[in-house]
Amino acid sequence: GAGVSQSPSNKVTEKGKDVELRCDPISGHTALYWYRQSLGQGLEFLIYFQGNSAPDKSGLPSDRFSAERTGGSVSTLTIQRTQQEDSAVYLCASSFQGGNSGNTIYFGEGSWLTVV
Amino acid sequence: AQSVSQHNHHVILSEAASLELGCNYSYGGTVNLFWYVQYPGQHLQLLLKYFSGDPLVKGIKGFEAEFIKSKFSFNLRKPSVQWSDTAEYFCAVKGNNRLAFGKGNQVVVIP
Repeated sequence: GAGVSQSPSNKVTEKGKDVELRCDPISGHTALYWYRQSLGQGLEFLIYFQGNSAPDKSGLPSDRFSAERTGGSVSTLTIQRTQQEDSAVYLCASSFQGGNSGNTIYFGEGSWLTVV
Repeated sequence: AQSVSQHNHHVILSEAASLELGCNYSYGGTVNLFWYVQYPGQHLQLLLKYFSGDPLVKGIKGFEAEFIKSKFSFNLRKPSVQWSDTAEYFCAVKGNNRLAFGKGNQVVVIP
């Protein structure tokens, strides 16, 4: 597609439920990132996928958070047993090449999660 | 780990005024630096980036930034702002397979 596509754009869930957020990166991009944007916390790195390599999960805040990337393309971020502090905008991004290259990282419009 | 510091979180200025947003970074490796902009209700968009060559980088919409290695800085400038520049601006440094962002500058331009 033309850009990074995320769904749903908005999700309201009850505390304790599980949620799945989907990301479809730009075609041909091998690197995929998840970030979280919340008031007062700015943009926090969550996880990074590069091709078929093992993901860098060092930014995941707890074991309730997990992510998969199937076939080197679409990614799903799963939050189990959601808590109110999980309320945030979850941003997906992709780039042609990861690592420390100068390639631009393109962001999607985000999935706005509200836990009530 | 890399980190970015942005100052003056809230900036209010009139149209035609000049804008300068400070950005200082900390990273021991090869530096790739970025400025992103987030207009109200929109997603993050790249304004400009530096990864080598001329330290004065020109981006979209009349923005420019200067990489000063000795000061670990990558300040963003625009000589004359417009109302449409109202947005949040984020500086970021790339390293360790990720972008590390500053807290952002909320810029409001008054017509």
